[in-house]
Amino acid sequence: EDQVTQSPEALRLQEGESSSLNCSYTVSGLRGLFWYRQDPGKGPEFLFTLYSAGEEKEKERLKATLTKKESFLHITAPKPEDSATYLCAVHRDSWGKLQFGAGTQVVVTP
Amino acid sequence: GAVVSQHPSWVICKSGTSVKIECRSLDFQATTMFWYRQFPKQSLMLMATSNEGSKATYEQGVEKDKFLINHASLTLSTLTVTSAHPEDSSFYICSATEVRVSSTRISDGYTFGSGTRLTVV
Repeated sequence: EDQVTQSPEALRLQEGESSSLNCSYTVSGLRGLFWYRQDPGKGPEFLFTLYSAGEEKEKERLKATLTKKESFLHITAPKPEDSATYLCAVHRDSWGKLQFGAGTQVVVTP
Repeated sequence: GAVVSQHPSWVICKSGTSVKIECRSLDFQATTMFWYRQFPKQSLMLMATSNEGSKATYEQGVEKDKFLINHASLTLSTLTVTSAHPEDSSFYICSATEVRVSSTRISDGYTFGSGTRLTVV
C-alpha cells in the first residue's frame, strides 16, 4: 500500500534558523512528488513537483530535493511569513490521485 | 495562474438538512475535479474523483448517496452533503485539473480551492 510519512509533525524555528522537513514515501513507480503549503483555514497552495531522484527545485527560501525513498524541503533563513503547514503528496495510482502525508506544521518566530 | 473559487468558505447547518458546496474554475477548464475532506491536524483524504460529464468515482468507505457530486460543466462542480449529521462536520476542499485523468493519463497540475468549513449542529 502506498504510504507517505512526514516528519517532524511540528517545527518551531527562530527567524533565520534554517531547517529541513522530511517526506518519506513507499509507492510502486513514482510518477510525481508534490509539495504544498497550507495556511490555516485555506486550501493547499502548490510549491513544487519533483519527478526523478536527484531532481531539485527552488523558490525563494524553499528548496525541494528528491531521492528514491524520500524528499526534503529545505527552508533557508525562514521568515515569520513562512509559518504554515507543509504537505507532501505522491501520485497514488494511475488515475493521478494524490496520497497526502499528514504535514509538518512550521512556526517561525521573530 | 489557475484559480479555483470555492464557496461558501464556511457554513453552519442543522442536523438533517442538506448543504451544497460549489467549486468553480475561473480561468481554465476543470476537466477533472477531486473532492477531499480534512479533519483538524490531519491530512487530506480523497473522497471522490469526477470527470466532467461522467459520474463521480468514490473512494472506499465514502457513501455516494450521502455525498452527491455533480460535475456537469467544465467550470463547475458541486458537492452536496445530504442529511448532514454532526460527524460530517469537517473541512471540505476541491481541486481541479485540465487533464481528463484516466487509467493511462495523469496530471501534474492540480489547483485547490480555498476550502469550506462545515459545522453541523
